Amino acid sequence: EDKVVQSPLSLVVHEGDTVTLNCSYEVTNFRSLLWYKQEKKAPTFLFMLTSSGIEKKSGRLSSILDKKELFSILNITATQTGDSAVYLCAVFNAGGTSYGKLTFGQGTILTVHP
Amino acid sequence: SAVISQKPSRDICQRGTSLTIQCQVDSQVTMMFWYRQQPGQSLTLIATANQGSEATYESGFVIDKFPISRPNLTFSTLTVSNMSPEDSSIYLCSVGFQGTEAFFGQGTRLTVV
Repeated sequence: EDKVVQSPLSLVVHEGDTVTLNCSYEVTNFRSLLWYKQEKKAPTFLFMLTSSGIEKKSGRLSSILDKKELFSILNITATQTGDSAVYLCAVFNAGGTSYGKLTFGQGTILTVHP
Repeated sequence: SAVISQKPSRDICQRGTSLTIQCQVDSQVTMMFWYRQQPGQSLTLIATANQGSEATYESGFVIDKFPISRPNLTFSTLTVSNMSPEDSSIYLCSVGFQGTEAFFGQGTRLTVV
């Protein structure tokens, strides 16, 4: 059974801090790993990672994947109160009857105080 | 990318009744997915909606409780039947393109009283 574990489950920081969110996974027929930000209902796509060691970057957010050790990290630098959200990690299964299925981690609740 | 319109956005329902959630995509997609997010929990896949065939349900979810329709390549519905307070959740539809990023509808927040 596919499994995704995120840590920490919650994190409280002050504006300007840098945070690192972790995601480890076990999945048959790995296709990609995705990061989402969820503020209200619908998750908003952040990154898709398919190759090891290649950093994806968008503004203050960056992410990298290690396919050998089966984990990914999401970094947020110079955090702002608007970064407060639940960050979800998910893996895409590309095989057989599970094709296209996303398995999500529990999420990390990030709270940024002014 | 894809734009997904999901409705209703929210609803409050009486126990024992049913609610049908609709999901419309602005392009044709082979597979659509329905997820549930219970309060304080992450997203769990309910089923995969395939056009032209029956939906494929994940362990713990059954067709009688969550019937799904997929009449064409741009539309799907999920019905939550005979609701109980335990069904109070956010329900989300999504589409993905050959293992690339998955896009989500706006979600339906369901409260059963």
